[in-house]
Order: sequence, then C-alpha cells, then structure tokens
Amino acid sequence: NAGVMQNPRHLVRRRGQEARLRCSPMKGHSHVYWYRQLPEEGLKFMVYLQKENIIDESGMPKERFSAEFPKEGPSILRIQQVVRGDSAAYFCASCRDHFQETQYFGPGTRLLVL
Amino acid sequence: QKEVEQDPGPLSVPEGAIVSLNCTYSNSAFQYFMWYRQYSRKGPELLMYTYSSGNKEDGRFTAQVDKSSKYISLFIRDSQPSDSATYLCAMSVTGGSYIPTFGRGTSLIVHP
Repeated sequence: NAGVMQNPRHLVRRRGQEARLRCSPMKGHSHVYWYRQLPEEGLKFMVYLQKENIIDESGMPKERFSAEFPKEGPSILRIQQVVRGDSAAYFCASCRDHFQETQYFGPGTRLLVL
Repeated sequence: QKEVEQDPGPLSVPEGAIVSLNCTYSNSAFQYFMWYRQYSRKGPELLMYTYSSGNKEDGRFTAQVDKSSKYISLFIRDSQPSDSATYLCAMSVTGGSYIPTFGRGTSLIVHP
C-alpha cells in the first residue's frame, strides 16, 4: 500500500511566479490536510479538505493561496505570485476519516523562492 | 504564550540512555495527544497517540499525559542512534475538524 505521495519534492520559483504542489493521499483516504513548516518552527495547519470540499481553511493566508481536492486526481495547493517568505517545506497528510489520530504524512515539497 | 510549548533542544544523549521529551500546553480542551518523529528532510511519522490522561506504552516508547498539569511526555528507553530525529508533540480538541496543534519539535541526538 503506497503511502502519501507528494510532488515535486523540490520546487524552485522566482518571485512572482506560481507554485503548484500536489498530494496524493493513501489509498482509501478521503481527508487531506496541508501544513507548512518553516525553519525553526513547528508544523502550521493550513487547510483541511475532503473530496470536492474545503472543510477548514482557517490556516490559509487570505491572499495568493488556494487549495482543492477534486473528485479525481490529487489535492493541489496553489501559491500565486510567490514571495521569498513562502519558502518552506509543505507537507500534506491524509486519513481515512475525520478522527485523525492516525494521520499519515507525505515526504513534503520544499519550496525555494529566489 | 503559544498554545503548545516544546523545547527545541538539541538534546544529546549517549546510546542506551533513557530520554525524556516534554511539552506543555495552555488549552485545557485538548483531549488527544500525539507524538511524531521526523527524520531530517522527511515527513513526520506518527509514533503514538493517547486520549486524555494516563500512560501508554509501545515497545521502547512510553507516552504520558498529565492533564492537571497540562504536561505531556514521551520516554524512550535504551535509546539508539537511529532514534536521532526531531520529535513533535501534537494535540487536538474533540469534535470539529480535529485539527492538531503542533509543538515546534525537539531535536534529539543519540551518539554511539
């Protein structure tokens, strides 16, 4: 059973470009969470999605960031007009249901904005 | 004051030592408590979770929750160099989206 997959693993963008991060949850999991991890900081929750629905986006910046989890395909975190402060590791996690003590993380995408 | 406080370390111990990792929290509504291990450049891996107060043991790992003191611990017995990693505590309230709040992690180094 494949784990949570994220791609790309590393992404370099120049300021003003768009970044698209993809997350494929574990088989049978329909709940996806996105987190951001900055150096010297813990994981910060960004958004929680189920298939075709955003359940909780209280951690998402109000501008430039969006997320989706379509009926088919991976979940996508999109960052428009990236700035240097967006440089971080972005992790997604998935679980089978909303009782998330068994939340499985992907390997992360490391975004570097030049 | 942050909701979850965790000393970043690093904590350096010799192989075979008993390791104690701790977190304090301020939100008395937290009911689920988790410990994750994160190796360098990898995603967090769930080690253990507990519900409310008490102890839970799994092999060399013991998780302890003291809700009256708002304090949780992870003990590692007979520590090994392969235990060298960052350990993140996380906790969440019941109901709602169960979104966990993470500590910033403690870096552990076990040297041979």
